[in-house]
Amino acid sequence: DAMVIQNPRYQVTQFGKPVTLSCSQTLNHNVMYWYQQKSSQAPKLLFHYYDKDFNNEADTPDNFQSRRPNTSFCFLDIRSPGLGDAAMYLCATSSRGSGNEQFFGPGTRLTVL
Amino acid sequence: AQSVAQPEDQVNVAEGNPLTVKCTYSVSGNPYLFWYVQYPNRGLQFLLKYITGDNLVKGSYGFEAEFNKSQTSFHLKKPSALVSDSALYFCAVRPSGGATNKLIFGTGTLLAVQP
Repeated sequence: DAMVIQNPRYQVTQFGKPVTLSCSQTLNHNVMYWYQQKSSQAPKLLFHYYDKDFNNEADTPDNFQSRRPNTSFCFLDIRSPGLGDAAMYLCATSSRGSGNEQFFGPGTRLTVL
Repeated sequence: AQSVAQPEDQVNVAEGNPLTVKCTYSVSGNPYLFWYVQYPNRGLQFLLKYITGDNLVKGSYGFEAEFNKSQTSFHLKKPSALVSDSALYFCAVRPSGGATNKLIFGTGTLLAVQP
C-alpha cells in the first residue's frame, strides 16, 4: 500500500544532543511537510518542500532544519533540542494541485531528557 | 487574518445518536475545506473535503459534512455514532492562492462517544 512512513516512532534524546527524524513516502508526491504537534493541539507547520524548493515558516526556530535528498525522503534535524521541543512530529505529503489532501505519517514522538 | 474555529473543545454523545462537530472559517476567496481525524499517538487521517459542487460531502466511515457559504461553516456529521469514533477531529482550510496546499488547522474537537 502507498503510504507515509516515519522512523523512529519514538525517539528519546538528551538536552542539546542533535537528533534526526526520518520520513519516507511511496506516494510519489511533490510536496512534503513537517509539522510539530504538542499535547493534542493543532499541528503547527514548520516547513515544507515543493519538489526541491524549501519553504520555511517565519516562526520556525533556526534550531530546526530539514533536508530532502530525493522525492521519497525528507529529514527533520533538530540541532540542539530543548525541553520545549518535546512533541509529536508529523510528516505529511500531497500531490500538486490546490484541492489535494495531505497524507500523514504516524508521527515520531520526541522526548527530551 | 485567515482562520478556522472549532468552538467546542469536546463533544459528548451516546452511541447510536447523531453527532455534529462544528467548524467555521474565515478566509478570502473560495475555500477548500477538510476534516481529519486523529487517534491517540497516530497521525492525522483524511476524512473528507469540500472543493466545489454539492454542499453535502460524504467521506470515510459514514461521516459527512455540509458546506454553508452564508454561515461560513463546514460542520462534520454522522447519523449514528460509534464508540470507535471517539478521537480528536480537526477541521482545516486551505487559503486561496499559493500552490502548495498549506493548511490552516482548527484547534481540534475531542469526540467522546459513550456506550
